[in-house]
Amino acid sequence: ETGVTQSPTHLIKTRGQQVTLRCSSQSGHNTVSWYQQALGQGPQFIFQYYREEENGRGNFPPRFSGLQFPNYSSELNVNALELDDSALYLCASSLGGTGLSSADTQYFGPGTRLTVL
Amino acid sequence: KNEVEQSPQNLTAQEGEFITINCSYSVGISALHWLQQHPGGGIVSLFMLSSGKKKHGRLIATINIQEKHSSLHITASHPRDSAVYICAVLGSARQLTFGSGTQLTVLP
Repeated sequence: ETGVTQSPTHLIKTRGQQVTLRCSSQSGHNTVSWYQQALGQGPQFIFQYYREEENGRGNFPPRFSGLQFPNYSSELNVNALELDDSALYLCASSLGGTGLSSADTQYFGPGTRLTVL
Repeated sequence: KNEVEQSPQNLTAQEGEFITINCSYSVGISALHWLQQHPGGGIVSLFMLSSGKKKHGRLIATINIQEKHSSLHITASHPRDSAVYICAVLGSARQLTFGSGTQLTVLP
């Protein structure tokens, strides 16, 4: 059983560019959540996907979008990058449709460190 | 005011000390998580609890739903416990809301 993996580990972009980050879920998990963690802060919820459908969204603009594939891997896309988008982007997978079950544990990937210059 | 508040923000302890990190929240929740984040970013889930108390090795987590408060205790602390400890709550909006973390440094 493999854990949650993310790629790339580090990425440098310039303002205005677009970026795609990838996440492979833990085997058997059908739910993926994405988080943005600025330096010195706790993670902020971006959105969650369950069985290829968006299942909840945090307070992020539409230029943050995502996809979940039939194998439950996921992508986070950010368009028109801004300097404030520089952060660690974490994905977490879980087994649980709504994520509301108290038995639902999220397993985090190692993160992608995005720097926007 | 943040929905999830942790204290202290930074904590330095000597090896062997008993450590307590506190988390207060202001919203109704279905569960509370304690997470550990090491330098480089990787996050490990330590506990998920919705009532009472859980213990795993030297770690103990408690929650008081009425008071909207949780604590994470580390007994016989060790330098390898040095990390950022994050409290996160699962609310009705189907999302985790995180505290800003407590940076723990345990000195040998």
